[in-house]
Amino acid sequence: QKEVEQNSGPLSVPEGAIASLNCTYSDRGSQSFFWYRQYSGKSPELIMSIYSNGDKEDGRFTAQLNKASQYVSLLIRDSQPSDSATYLCAVKPNAGNMLTFGGGTRLMVKP
Amino acid sequence: DVKVTQSSRYLVKRTGEKVFLECVQDMDHENMFWYRQDPGLGLRLIYFSYDVKMKEKGDIPEGYSVSREKKERFSLILESASTNQTSMYLCASSFVAKNIQYFGAGTRLSVL
Repeated sequence: QKEVEQNSGPLSVPEGAIASLNCTYSDRGSQSFFWYRQYSGKSPELIMSIYSNGDKEDGRFTAQLNKASQYVSLLIRDSQPSDSATYLCAVKPNAGNMLTFGGGTRLMVKP
Repeated sequence: DVKVTQSSRYLVKRTGEKVFLECVQDMDHENMFWYRQDPGLGLRLIYFSYDVKMKEKGDIPEGYSVSREKKERFSLILESASTNQTSMYLCASSFVAKNIQYFGAGTRLSVL
C-alpha cells in the first residue's frame, strides 16, 4: 500500500468550475502537508502548505485537512486553463526529514 | 526568492560514462535531496543530505552516489551510467524546521 495516495486522473473540469483534488495518507502521526503544482516538463512548485485541521485559503486555492480521516484536499475555485497541470500531494511523516509524495493528479481545465 | 540551480537542463551520455549532476542552493538550507521522476512512477528519492558530508539513502540509491562537501552544493554521481538511468533528475532543498522543499528546474538525462 502506498503511503500517500492520489487518483492519477485526468480530472477534467470546465473553465470557471471548482476543481477538487484529494489525497489520503497512511501515517497517522504526520504533521505537515503540502500541495505542489507541476507543469509538463517543469519542476514542482509549492502552492500551499497546511499543518492544522480545517481549511486554509490563499486566493483561488483552499487546502483542507482532516487528520482523523487522514485526508487532505485542494480546491481550486474559478478554474482556468492555466491551472492545467499535475498536482502533487506531499506529506511529512512523523519521523525523519523527508517528504513522501503521492503520484499526482493530472488536472485538465477545458475552455 | 529561494533559488535552487541545477547545472544542466539536458544531458546526453553514453553507457558506462561517469556522470556528475550538480545542484546549488542559495538559502542556507540544511537539507538537500536528489529525486528522479519517471512517467507512472512519480517522484522517487535517491539520496538525502542533512548536513555537510552527511547522507542517507532514499528509496532507490543503487547505481548512484552523492557528495556534499559544502552546505550549498549537493552532487549526484552516476558511477557507470546505464540506459535505465535515463530520467528527469530533480534536486530540492529545505530547512530542517520547515520541511518545505524547493526544487531546481531539473536535468533531463538521456543515456544512450
